[in-house]
Amino acid sequence: AQTVTQSQPEMSVQEAETVTLSCTYDTSESDYYLFWYKQPPSRQMILVIRQEAYKQQNATENRFSVNFQKAAKSFSLKISDSQLGDAAMYFCAYRSGYWETSGSRLTFGEGTQLTVNP
Amino acid sequence: SQTIHQWPATLVQPVGSPLSLECTVEGTSNPNLYWYRQAAGRGLQLLFYSVGIGQISSEVPQNLSASRPQDRQFILSSKKLLLSDSGFYLCAWNWGRGVNIQYFGAGTRLSVL
Repeated sequence: AQTVTQSQPEMSVQEAETVTLSCTYDTSESDYYLFWYKQPPSRQMILVIRQEAYKQQNATENRFSVNFQKAAKSFSLKISDSQLGDAAMYFCAYRSGYWETSGSRLTFGEGTQLTVNP
Repeated sequence: SQTIHQWPATLVQPVGSPLSLECTVEGTSNPNLYWYRQAAGRGLQLLFYSVGIGQISSEVPQNLSASRPQDRQFILSSKKLLLSDSGFYLCAWNWGRGVNIQYFGAGTRLSVL
């Protein structure tokens, strides 16, 4: 079974600074997808960014980018120019690319609570 | 556009009472549907998923059950709630077998007292 580990329960960053959230995963599969979701105090789950394992290029969405290290099974999220609205719980998630055995279900890490200080 | 509705938003139930949480998706057909539970300050745990009407897969043995009576309706139920059933329940959907993203409902906060 796949596992996702987020080793930083809490992180803080000053407004306008850059912060990196760590995520590692364990899998024997070669085809999979990785995601970062954000959960603000409203508890609505919002997709931040996604990465297909077969793509070597790191995904980028505006101020959010990932550092995907497939061999190391690492998938960190970098938030640049942090804003107060970035304060939330961030979850790393794994999805198998093998529909027949896993469907499209997500395996989540335990989350990192990000605080943004003004 | 597609939307997902989940209700109620908050529910307080006594131990031993029944439960019914409902989730519906609009704007798509034959979605994959999911029920997750989130304990306070923790990650999400998949409870059930469904790839079609009447097709339910259970991930974790528990006091809960799920049903999909219509294509875009997913119901989470219990005959008798336990204290340990308290938590935040999220419904999600996606479509197809590709990289399609899972979209989440607003969630239901369940307190069993």
